Order: sequence, then structure tokens, then C-alpha cells
Amino acid sequence: DAKTTQPPSMDCAEGRAANLPCNHSTISGNEYVYWYRQIHSQGPQYIIHGLKNNETNEMASLIITEDRKSSTLILPHATLRDTAVYYCIGLNRDDKIIFGKGTRLHILP
Amino acid sequence: DTAVSQTPKYLVTQMGNDKSIKCEQNLGHDTMYWYKQDSKKFLKIMFSYNNKELIINETVPNRFSPKSPDKAHLNLHINSLELGDSAVYFCASSQEPRPLYGYTFGSGTRLTVV
Repeated sequence: DAKTTQPPSMDCAEGRAANLPCNHSTISGNEYVYWYRQIHSQGPQYIIHGLKNNETNEMASLIITEDRKSSTLILPHATLRDTAVYYCIGLNRDDKIIFGKGTRLHILP
Repeated sequence: DTAVSQTPKYLVTQMGNDKSIKCEQNLGHDTMYWYKQDSKKFLKIMFSYNNKELIINETVPNRFSPKSPDKAHLNLHINSLELGDSAVYFCASSQEPRPLYGYTFGSGTRLTVV
């Protein structure tokens, strides 16, 4: 299983880039790294995923280190609506998405 | 035009009762899931169905029984409700069993057992 480690909480000023780190040192070669977020009282929302290469979509960018032991989710211009718990997830051998504790991101006005 | 919809949104019931939570997805996905989020905010998978067939059944008490009448619906029946069943239950769907393209979650059902 690709267990992930994330800081429990982070602050980011509104308008600045939010960089959320994740360690996944036990990830295997064919395991994807997924990022989800959960805004208060809502269901988790898919953000992005990647295998080896860096990825970008309309929500965020994902930077994966060359050794694939860690990654960073980047929200380029954080807004108050980005306040949420962000989960970094690796697929386990049964391909189930297993959520950890995540990082609680506070966007400060 | 909600992609994954759950009903009811809130459910308050007494211990010992039997209740159901319904889930429907209009995304044409083949696989549906139930997750439980407890008071400590951990999200845990309970069940997964692919084309109406059960493919994942975590160690959930057999008081919980999922039922999938068709691939667009996955309902959760809970018998003999206990206080510890109080949680938020999320339904989700994905295009395939290996969720390479991510899950779409519903907005959750907050179950309170009193």
C-alpha cells in the first residue's frame, strides 16, 4: 500500500500559491498519486492525479519528484473557497482509494 | 442536474430501527461505492459494486446490506441501527473499478442514531 504522509494543517494567504506537500515513500512503480479535497459538509472532490510526470488541469498542478517518493499539489492563486481538507492518496493493491487524515488548508484573507 | 445524488441528506432515527439510504448516479459510470466518515473525519470504504456485482466488501457488520437494482443505483440498508452507526455516509461512482479517472462523490447523508 502506498501510505501517504501529509502535514495536518497549513495556512496560505489569499491570492498566493498554496503548496501542499505529500510524502509517499512506499509507492510502487505502477501506483498513481491522487489528490482530493473535502470542503466542509460536502463530499470529497477529485482534483488531479499523476504517475510520473507533472500534471496540470484547471484546478491545480501536481509536481511529482523524480524518485516518486513525494509530490506537491499547487493551487496557483488560492481563494477563500479553497479552504478545505486536502487528501493525498495512493492506490493500494486492490485499487481502492484509501483516505488518510489529509491536510487542513486555511486560506487567510 | 446532480451527478451523484443521495437521499435523504439528514436522517435521525432511534436505536434498533431499520433505515435505507438511496444513491443514484447519472454519469453512466459502471462502479459505485459507499464510504463512511466517522466523527474523527476518517473516510473508510464500505462497499463497491461494478455493474450490479459486489466487488469490495470491507469488514462491515452484516447489518449493512448494499443493494444495486441497476448500475445507476446503489442503496444502503441498515438493520438494527446502533449508536456507533452515526456518521456521514457518502456514495460515489467511477468509470471503472480501477479509478484512474477519479471518483465522483455525492453530498453525503448525515445519519444520527439516538
